[in-house]
Amino acid sequence: AQKVTQAQTEISVVEKEDVTLDCVYETRDTTYYLFWYKQPPSGELVFLIRRNSFDEQNEISGRYSWNFQKSTSSFNFTITASQVVDSAVYFCALSEAREVDSSYKLIFGSGTRLLVRP
Amino acid sequence: DGGITQSPKYLFRKEGQNVTLSCEQNLNHDAMYWYRQDPGQGLRLIYYSQIVNDFQKGDIAEGYSVSREKKESFPLTVTSAQKNPTAFYLCASSPGTSSYNEQFFGPGTRLTVL
Repeated sequence: AQKVTQAQTEISVVEKEDVTLDCVYETRDTTYYLFWYKQPPSGELVFLIRRNSFDEQNEISGRYSWNFQKSTSSFNFTITASQVVDSAVYFCALSEAREVDSSYKLIFGSGTRLLVRP
Repeated sequence: DGGITQSPKYLFRKEGQNVTLSCEQNLNHDAMYWYRQDPGQGLRLIYYSQIVNDFQKGDIAEGYSVSREKKESFPLTVTSAQKNPTAFYLCASSPGTSSYNEQFFGPGTRLTVL
C-alpha cells in the first residue's frame, strides 16, 4: 500500500529561523506525483507545489524550497526566514491509482503543525 | 471569483438525524471529492465523482451518501448510520482525476454531534 509519513507532529520556531518539514513516502509506482498543501487556521487547504517523480530538480519559490530525493523517497519542504503568517498545518500528499476505475486519489500524510513565534 | 463554497461553516446535529453538507464550485471542474479530517490526522476520502451522475466510494464511505446531479454541486449527506460523525469536512474539486491534477479545496464544514 502506498503511504505518506510526516514524522514531525509539531514544530515551533522563532520568527526568521529556517525550518524544514519532512515527508517520506512509499510507492510501487514508477511514475507518480507528490504535493504539498498548507492549511491555515481558517481550515481551507491551499495548494503549494506539485512534483513529478521524474523531475528531481530542487525548486525554489520565494522563501519556500523543496528538496525531492527519489533515492530516499523524500520530498522535504523548507521555509527560509520564517514569518508568523507561515503558522499552519502542512500536508504532504502522494497520488495513487485506484484499481476500481484507474482514476487517481491523493494519499495525505498526517500533517505537521508549524508554529512561528514572534 | 472562481472557487469552491461550502455551507454551513458550522453544523450541529442531534444523534439519529441526517444532515446534508453543501459544496458548490464554479471552476468548471469535472471531478469533485469529499474528505473527512479528524484532529491530528490527515484527510481521508469519503466519496468522489469524476463526472455528473456518477460517483464512487472512497476509503470511509460507510454512513455517508452523495449525489452529483449538476457539475457544480456535490452535496454530502451524513446519515444516522455514521457512528462518529463529529469531524471537519472538506470538499475539493479538480479538472480531472489524472495523477497530476492538484485539488482545490473549499473552506470546510465543522460538524458536531450533540
